[in-house]
Amino acid sequence: DAGITQSPRHKVTETGTPVTLRCHQTENHRYMYWYRQDPGHGLRLIHYSYGVKDTDKGEVSDGYSVSRSKTEDFLLTLESATSSQTSVYFCAIRSDYGLGQETQYFGPGTRLLVL
Amino acid sequence: GENVEQHPSTLSVQEGDSAVIKCTYSDSASNYFPWYKQELGKRPQLIIDIRSNVGEKKDQRIAVTLNKTAKHFSLHITETQPEDSAVYFCAAEGGSNYKLTFGKGTLLTVNP
Repeated sequence: DAGITQSPRHKVTETGTPVTLRCHQTENHRYMYWYRQDPGHGLRLIHYSYGVKDTDKGEVSDGYSVSRSKTEDFLLTLESATSSQTSVYFCAIRSDYGLGQETQYFGPGTRLLVL
Repeated sequence: GENVEQHPSTLSVQEGDSAVIKCTYSDSASNYFPWYKQELGKRPQLIIDIRSNVGEKKDQRIAVTLNKTAKHFSLHITETQPEDSAVYFCAAEGGSNYKLTFGKGTLLTVNP
C-alpha cells in the first residue's frame, strides 16, 4: 500500500464549516494527488502536488485548497463545506522507484458526509 | 484536457467466461494506461498497466491491449471467478505531472 494513510477515515460535518483531510506517506514520493469519488463519475482529480509547496489544480478544484509543507503530508481543506462535497476522498502517491515502474497507489480513503 | 470513455458500465458474466472492458482516450500524448480494481468499500488497487511502447501485456488471467493509432485500450479477464466481481477503472496518463484521467468504471459481476 506504499505506506499511505489518511485521516480521518470518516467524518460528519455541517454545511459551512471548514474541514481538513490529511494524507501521510512514509516513502518520500514527490507526487501526491487528491481525488474525489462519486457514483457515476469515477475518480476525479481535485488538486495535486509535485513537491513541497508546489501544488496545482485538477479538474474539480472549486471549493478546495491544499497545502504541502512537508514531503510526507498533503492536506486537503474544504474551506466552507457544502452538501455537494459529500463524497469519498482518496489520496494517491506516484511511486518513483524508477525502471519504468512508476504508477499511482491509493490511500484507504476518507468518507465525508456534509449535512 | 484528456477524456477517457469506458464501456460497458455494467457487465455480468458466468463463472469461467471471459470479460472484456474497453476504454478510449482523446489525447494522443498519453503514454501510460493503468487498470484498477475496486472492491466495495475499498481503495482502488492497480491490477495491470501498459505503456505506449508495448501493444499487449499479460499477467496470469488478465491481459491488456493497446492500440495507439485508434486510441483505445482494453482489459481482458479469462476464466472469470466470483472474486473478480468488482468495479474496474481504466485511466490514461499524459502531459505534465503525471496526472491520471479515469474512466467512469465498469461494474463486473461474475455469477457462480
